[in-house]
Amino acid sequence: GENVEQHPSTLSVQEGDSAVIKCTYSDSASNYFPWYKQELGKRPQLIIDIRSNVGEKKDQRIAVTLNKTAKHFSLHITETQPEDSAVYFCAASSGNTGTASKLTFGTGTRLQVTL
Amino acid sequence: KAGVTQTPRYLIKTRGQQVTLSCSPISGHRSVSWYQQTPGQGLQFLFEYFSETQRNKGNFPGRFSGRQFSNSRSEMNVSTLELGDSALYLCASSLGGLTSDTQYFGPGTRLTVL
Repeated sequence: GENVEQHPSTLSVQEGDSAVIKCTYSDSASNYFPWYKQELGKRPQLIIDIRSNVGEKKDQRIAVTLNKTAKHFSLHITETQPEDSAVYFCAASSGNTGTASKLTFGTGTRLQVTL
Repeated sequence: KAGVTQTPRYLIKTRGQQVTLSCSPISGHRSVSWYQQTPGQGLQFLFEYFSETQRNKGNFPGRFSGRQFSNSRSEMNVSTLELGDSALYLCASSLGGLTSDTQYFGPGTRLTVL
């Protein structure tokens, strides 16, 4: 089955700096890659996602890049703010019927933005 | 639209008991997936229900089961509870089409097994 590795497990940056979180996946059939943000005691919330027919997607300060050949995708957060502090999870799924909703998650990255 | 809701939010059970958790998806969503979140294993897929049928299953023992009703609400059941079943159980709903679409998570049910 799919395996998703995520690095680093913790990341501390100063406010205003950029943060990059990287994930690799094993199943070449995977074609959907969402990123979730989970604040302490709260539910995971989707912040951005990318499909395999796109190499990069951006939404304000957040961007995701995908390299299908190398089977890795990354989350980039620019101009970090204290409210960006949370645990970030990457995930992957294949778009085939029966498996489209099966998300395999990375182990999470705890991002701390310091003043 | 109302978000995904889960009941109860907290549960305390003892080993050997069974438990039933409930999830109400976003209106119009036909797929409900269940995940177990623990500090050691992270977020792990349990199973997915679509149109009252289990469409996909993760690698959990048969003590974990679920069902979905005609209104898309879903329940999951854990029988013969073990200490290791202590976790946050999250459900997520989506439209459930043929291609992957956004999954929206509920607040979770925190289960503690003593």
